[in-house]
Amino acid sequence: DAGITQSPRHKVTETGTPVTLRCHQTENHRYMYWYRQDPGHGLRLIHYSYGVKDTDKGEVSDGYSVSRSKTEDFLLTLESATSSQTSVYFCAISEGLANTGELFFGEGSRLTVL
Amino acid sequence: AQSVAQPEDQVNVAEGNPLTVKCTYSVSGNPYLFWYVQYPNRGLQFLLKYITGDNLVKGSYGFEAEFNKSQTSFHLKKPSALVSDSALYFCAVWDMNRDDKIIFGKGTRLHILP
Repeated sequence: DAGITQSPRHKVTETGTPVTLRCHQTENHRYMYWYRQDPGHGLRLIHYSYGVKDTDKGEVSDGYSVSRSKTEDFLLTLESATSSQTSVYFCAISEGLANTGELFFGEGSRLTVL
Repeated sequence: AQSVAQPEDQVNVAEGNPLTVKCTYSVSGNPYLFWYVQYPNRGLQFLLKYITGDNLVKGSYGFEAEFNKSQTSFHLKKPSALVSDSALYFCAVWDMNRDDKIIFGKGTRLHILP
């Protein structure tokens, strides 16, 4: 299994509080992604990174920010959590879609916003 | 913009019968196409990919997929279903002429009936 660790795995928080999810990889892959999974919507891309300090928006980036100060860590921040951000969040890594064409996923972080 | 559609939310197949999970896509350039599988409370796992070459692609666990450019489809198939194949299946597309973003479909839940 690819070395991807997401933390926390489960979190319950209240509306309006900030939340940070962490994705840590030991594979030294260049690309890292944050997706959210919701019933009826499948997986939707929030943000992705193509290198240290290089990030770009995905399909559903509003209300989320990301940072990547080291190759191995990709942080997803909800500045002020809302109930609509209750979801399961998945981190994924890749050597580059043109290289292997494969994403490796973490085990997910389940976030509940009350 | 690239997109992918999985027209069936759920597919039920008797064990031992052939199975098909449907996927259609839309991209402006040349597509990379993928299938991923998700077991309960786990992240997604790569099954197979199409980049170029033979239209019939073979992947993990006996699965295969057929690329049809004229119908813009990439259906997942298996000749003989197993109960252990029951899971959530995602089709995904990457437009190789754009950036490194993979877009996923909404998923199809496959139930293999004993």
